[in-house]
Parts: sequence; structure tokens; C-alpha cells
Amino acid sequence: DGGITQSPKYLFRKEGQNVTLSCEQNLNHDAMYWYRQDPGQGLRLIYYSQIVNDFQKGDIAEGYSVSREKKESFPLTVTSAQKNPTAFYLCASSFRDRTPNTEAFFGQGTRLTVV
Amino acid sequence: RKEVEQDPGPFNVPEGATVAFNCTYSNSASQSFFWYRQDCRKEPKLLMSVYSSGNEDGRFTAQLNRASQYISLLIRDSKLSDSATYLCVVKGNDYKLSFGAGTTVTVRA
Repeated sequence: DGGITQSPKYLFRKEGQNVTLSCEQNLNHDAMYWYRQDPGQGLRLIYYSQIVNDFQKGDIAEGYSVSREKKESFPLTVTSAQKNPTAFYLCASSFRDRTPNTEAFFGQGTRLTVV
Repeated sequence: RKEVEQDPGPFNVPEGATVAFNCTYSNSASQSFFWYRQDCRKEPKLLMSVYSSGNEDGRFTAQLNRASQYISLLIRDSKLSDSATYLCVVKGNDYKLSFGAGTTVTVRA
């Protein structure tokens, strides 16, 4: 079955550690996105990538890094520079076409907790 | 100014009622528009795309007003299962997907 998979579902990190969240899709989507959601809040864009080997900062990129070496994969690293990393992280993907049908599909999310 | 702004609600309505809410966007070059639904602690899922001429999907109707830069969602004959947060999503010509903060709807028996 085609879909977008995030792992792990729950992640605990000690302060000062970097951690990498995985996002893989087999939908042949060109664009991939990372969002952060805090309790009771909307989704805020961290990074997005339109094509392989290219990505752009979103609204809250500080303290995060990404790579897009393969079309299927868009891992997110939460670095120790991110001051408040505890949040729900969502990865999404979509085709680049601009027709109205090009909606984004989401993974099930990773809940990161700093302990 | 935020790229996408929504009325946060909450809207608390009885079963069978009609509820409607809006979303405004700031980038006039935006290309595509969507409504997503998010249940508590779950990922967002597409409810419907929003087309220029407006569109319906069962009890849900979406409208787009490009001149005033807003989209709307109307839910008729509300069901208990409609209780959720509804997210307005706008895709720019740079493929950036921007989300509103969400409108919370609670349907009571």
C-alpha cells in the first residue's frame, strides 16, 4: 500500500542531544514537508523540499536541519540548538502540480519529548 | 500578518445544526486551497479541496472568494462525528503549504 511513514511514533530525548526523525513515502511525491504542532496550536512549517537535493526554510527553521538525498526520504534532525523541542512533529508529501487535486498526505506523526 | 488566519471558535452546536466558518489568506498568488480535518492527537486528513466555483461533498460546502482572499466551510445537518478541528490550508506558487491554526467544532447530542 502507498503511504507516508514516520518513525518512531514516540521519542524521548535528553537535553543537549540531537535526534533524527524519519519520514519515508512511496507515493512518488515530489514535495515533502515538516511541521511542528504544539498542544492546542496549529501546524507551523519547519522545512519543505520541492525536489531532491533542494529544500527551503519554513517559518520556524532555527534549531532544525533536513536533507533530501532521495525522493522518498526527508529526515528531520532536531538539534540541541532548538530550545523547546517537545512537540508533535508531522511530515507530509504531495505532488508539485498546481491543480486543485494536489493535496498533501500526512504521516501519523512523531511525539518528541525532552526529558 | 499571518499567512492564513482562521476563526478559532470553538463552535458548539447541536446535532442537525448548520455551522459555517471562514479563513483568510494573505498571499494573493496562492494557487490551491484545502480544508483538512484533525482529530485529537491524530494527523490531519483531507476533507476537501476548494475550487474556484465552489464545491460540495455531501453535507460539506466549500467556497473560495479570490477577490476578498477568503475561503469558507459550511457543514449542514451536523453529526456527532463532525466534532473535530478544521484546518484551512493554502498552497502558494512556491509549493509552500501554509496552515491556519484551526477552527474547533463540537457537536452535542
